[in-house]
Amino acid sequence: GENVEQHPSTLSVQEGDSAVIKCTYSDSASNYFPWYKQELGKGPQLIIDIRSNVGEKKDQRIAVTLNKTAKHFSLHITETQPEDSAVYFCAASPYNAGKSTFGDGTTLTVKP
Amino acid sequence: EAQVTQNPRYLITVTGKKLTVTCSQNMNHEYMSWYRQDPGLGLRQIYYSMNVEVTDKGDVPEGYKVSRKEKRNFPLILESPSPNQTSLYFCASSVRTAFEQYFGPGTRLTVT
Repeated sequence: GENVEQHPSTLSVQEGDSAVIKCTYSDSASNYFPWYKQELGKGPQLIIDIRSNVGEKKDQRIAVTLNKTAKHFSLHITETQPEDSAVYFCAASPYNAGKSTFGDGTTLTVKP
Repeated sequence: EAQVTQNPRYLITVTGKKLTVTCSQNMNHEYMSWYRQDPGLGLRQIYYSMNVEVTDKGDVPEGYKVSRKEKRNFPLILESPSPNQTSLYFCASSVRTAFEQYFGPGTRLTVT
């Protein structure tokens, strides 16, 4: 089955700096890669996703890049703000399948 | 308001006492799924349902049952809970497959 590894497990940055979280996956059949943000006491919320037919996607301060050859994808947050502090999860799945495999999560802390 | 609701939000029970955690969505989504979240292990998929009367195992189905008799509801059943099922449980739904999942607020279960 699919195996998703996520690094780092914790990340601390100064407000205004950039943050990068990386994930690798093992199953070449995976072609849908979402990122979720989980704030304290809440359920995860989708913030951005990418499909295998594109290499990069941006949404304001957030971007995701995908390297299908190397089987890795990354989340980039620029100009970080304290409200970006949360746990971030990557996931991978075949686009039309029900199974979804998540990484172990990254706790991001943005210091004012 | 579009949402996924779970009940109860908190539950403390004893080993062997059958329990059901309910999940309901009001978005007419075809796909629903259950996850458990444990420290350092991320989100692990328990079961998922692609549509009414269609369910399938995720990565950690042992000790759990599900049913999907109506489109909006997807209860999680623990017929004989054990302490190793102490966890934070999330229900999620999507228009189809594991694409853009909406998560509920979570149910914190403690089995003593």
